[in-house]
Amino acid sequence: DSGVTQTPKHLITATGQRVTLRCSPRSGDLSVYWYQQSLDQGLQFLIQYYNGEERAKGNILERFSAQQFPDLHSELNLSSLELGDSALYFCASSVEIQGPNTIYFGEGSWLTVV
Amino acid sequence: AQSVTQLGSHVSVSEGALVLLRCNYSSSVPPYLFWYVQYPNQGLQLLLKYTTGATLVKGINGFEAEFKKSETSFHLTKPSAHMSDAAEYFCAVSSLSGAQKLVFGQGTRLTINP
Repeated sequence: DSGVTQTPKHLITATGQRVTLRCSPRSGDLSVYWYQQSLDQGLQFLIQYYNGEERAKGNILERFSAQQFPDLHSELNLSSLELGDSALYFCASSVEIQGPNTIYFGEGSWLTVV
Repeated sequence: AQSVTQLGSHVSVSEGALVLLRCNYSSSVPPYLFWYVQYPNQGLQLLLKYTTGATLVKGINGFEAEFKKSETSFHLTKPSAHMSDAAEYFCAVSSLSGAQKLVFGQGTRLTINP
């Protein structure tokens, strides 16, 4: 158990819909990351937050957004969903923003868009 | 920009045989290198990491990796494979400069034959 908690574990939704994925980082970790894992794209970095502020953006679509709340939990919002958004979405956390801190991953949220 | 190439999307070895998973990286700045393992239906677990110092890094479950700057490689090895090692393995790179986002390779699925 990494200490990173993600909900829901599985989600099935229709195209055009909007979903929210939730993440609670490890106790004491200030930095939260979101990654997408799909068969064709592999593991892709989406976005990083540190203590409530956005710090880095990766290959995140404009239809997707995230935020980190004062209690440090984070949410990833996916809207106008398309079939290609079906993937495993990982949240990860680490203590500090700069390396080489270990990044701990949650078990992921499986999103299926039908 | 940083990138990782894992040679071989599938590797199959016999139980008790040497495990060698290959990883080459590209980085314009000194890299931090990581190996993560993903067991079926689970999140990513850190096996080992190289930051600075000793180039031979020992990790959990008997795995080790050697950082070779001249070859831009960070291959993962284990002297004797066990059935429980069957999983997907990901090599990743990050750096001290900027946010500590991990850039992953495409992964190598390791199968252990009895």
